[in-house]
Parts: sequence; C-alpha cells; structure tokens
Amino acid sequence: GAVVSQHPSWVICKSGTSVKIECRSLDFQATTMFWYRQFPKQSLMLMATSNEGSKATYEQGVEKDKFLINHASLTLSTLTVTSAHPEDSSFYICSAKSAGRTEAFFGQGTRLTVV
Amino acid sequence: GIQVEQSPPDLILQEGANSTLRCNFSDSVNNLQWFHQNPWGQLINLFYIPSGTKQNGRLSATTVATERYSLLYISSSQTTDSGVYFCAVERGTDKLIFGTGTRLQVFP
Repeated sequence: GAVVSQHPSWVICKSGTSVKIECRSLDFQATTMFWYRQFPKQSLMLMATSNEGSKATYEQGVEKDKFLINHASLTLSTLTVTSAHPEDSSFYICSAKSAGRTEAFFGQGTRLTVV
Repeated sequence: GIQVEQSPPDLILQEGANSTLRCNFSDSVNNLQWFHQNPWGQLINLFYIPSGTKQNGRLSATTVATERYSLLYISSSQTTDSGVYFCAVERGTDKLIFGTGTRLQVFP
C-alpha cells in the first residue's frame, strides 16, 4: 500500500511555455500533498503544501503565480510551472499523507528541463 | 525554522562493511523519517521513527528524541545500498523538513 505516482517522469519544454505535473495517490486518500524541488546534489526543499479543496500554502520565497498548485480531489494534485525559464529546470517531487497516517510517501519525481 | 544536519556528507565503503549515519536536529520533533534516494531519484521510505529503535533486515535506526539525534545503521553493505540517505523531521505541522543528506557509495 501507500503508492504515490507522479507523471511525467521527465519533460523538456521551451522557454515561455507551461508544464503540468500530476501527483496521484493510488491506494489511499491524500488529505495533504506536498511539492518539493531538488537541485543537483542538494537536499529537497519544500515549495508548498496543499489540502484537498483549499488553496495551497507556499513556502517563503516561492512564487505562487509561477508555481500553480491544485488539489482538486483526495487522490490528485497538480503543479503547473507557468512561463517556464531555464532556471526552473529541476527535479520536482510530490508526497502525500492521509489523515490516518503519520508517514509521508513520495512519488518518483519529475525531471524538468527548460530549453 | 528547525535545522537538520546530517553527517558524514559523503561515505565510501567496500561491500560488506558496516556504517552509521547521523541526523541532528535543532528542536523537538513529532515525526522523523529516514529515506533512501536511489540513483533515479525515487525516495524510498526506510523508517518512521520519532523515538526508539527499529530494525528491518540489514538496516536499523535509533532516535534519541531528548538529545535531538537519530542514527541509521547499515550492516554488510551492498552495492545496491548506494545513493543518498536523508532524514526528515516534522515539528507541529504536517510538513517534512529534509536534512542535508549523506551520499553513500558502495564498491564491490
């Protein structure tokens, strides 16, 4: 149990375009989902927390208009990188928790390259 | 905010060796997890261990919450143990804050 699936695994896009990344909890209801960003050889940095049906809470320094997060159902959250630029290239990872679990489980990550 | 430091930052071992990874955190926590990030980036849950000791095969972990540290022990290491090991803590909220990581390389 506790499987989180992230799609796509990798994506290349042109500067100025938008990219959507999906995060799904396959076998549990994710009341809370989290989005992280990881640069090469660095740790994971929390970008935002989303609860189903409400607006995401962004960490300090994260542009909410650039990184749009939607948590429309108990099994799906999406991160849209709008007007992507090369500096947005990174590894994005989602995680999910349910109200009945204390552990967080992670998706396999999405490697975004903006050219 | 809470600071989470891991040591050593890098570790190189030969197959069969044992190792201890450390995670220090600057404030009390209500959740602590250990993860292994494989070379493809996937984070694999190893332990949920806010306090006490747990074992799973060749891996074991101990958290001493009162002294604000946790240890991950890897015995008889294998090449498949290579990757980055992270501890992550949660304090009063649902948010997991990740440590600085330990990069482990195991050679045959």
